[in-house]
Amino acid sequence: ETGVTQTPRHLVMGMTNKKSLKCEQHLGHNAMYWYKQSAKKPLELMFVYNFKEQTENNSVPSRFSPECPNSSHLFLHLHTLQPEDSALYLCASSQESSGRNEQFFGPGTRLTVL
Amino acid sequence: SQQGEEDPQALSIQEGENATMNCSYKTSINNLQWYRQNSGRGLVHLILIRSNEREKHSGRLRVTLDTSKKSSSLLITASRAADTASYFCAIAGYSTLTFGKGTMLLVSP
Repeated sequence: ETGVTQTPRHLVMGMTNKKSLKCEQHLGHNAMYWYKQSAKKPLELMFVYNFKEQTENNSVPSRFSPECPNSSHLFLHLHTLQPEDSALYLCASSQESSGRNEQFFGPGTRLTVL
Repeated sequence: SQQGEEDPQALSIQEGENATMNCSYKTSINNLQWYRQNSGRGLVHLILIRSNEREKHSGRLRVTLDTSKKSSSLLITASRAADTASYFCAIAGYSTLTFGKGTMLLVSP
């Protein structure tokens, strides 16, 4: 175990549903990340939070809404998704967000949008 | 873009053989990291090499970095079936990490 947990592990949702992904890290880190991993594409960074403040939003559509209530928890709220949003969503954490440190990943949430 | 590009895209070897994967990049880096991902799971950090380092070892792993050629290699010695996974290099500039598409390694018993 890496110290980063994600729930749920699998999620199937319709395009009109609203759901949330949850991530929790038990490592005392200050930075947390959401990544999207689609087949045959590089891992795509979606959002970065450092000390609870969003520091990066890589042109992610507004149907993905992140929330970071504290340094240990990160959520990704989903609404009116499209089938092309089906992917593995990975959460990660690190000591801080400069890139100088290793990142610890959760097991991911496999999302299927029907 | 600071994205690293791994080569080859896929590699198939027998247990006991060595596996070498390469990563090339285009810009200046702070460090370069290698990660492993088992099918459908999260990534696991393997090794970090800083821009002023040339070689690092961790168990059966050996990583080299050539900043003049903007390339890195990951060598797994005496491979095992359990090494079957995708391997990614991640480029650390002066902000966050950028990952490549990965090399899929298959180690057959």
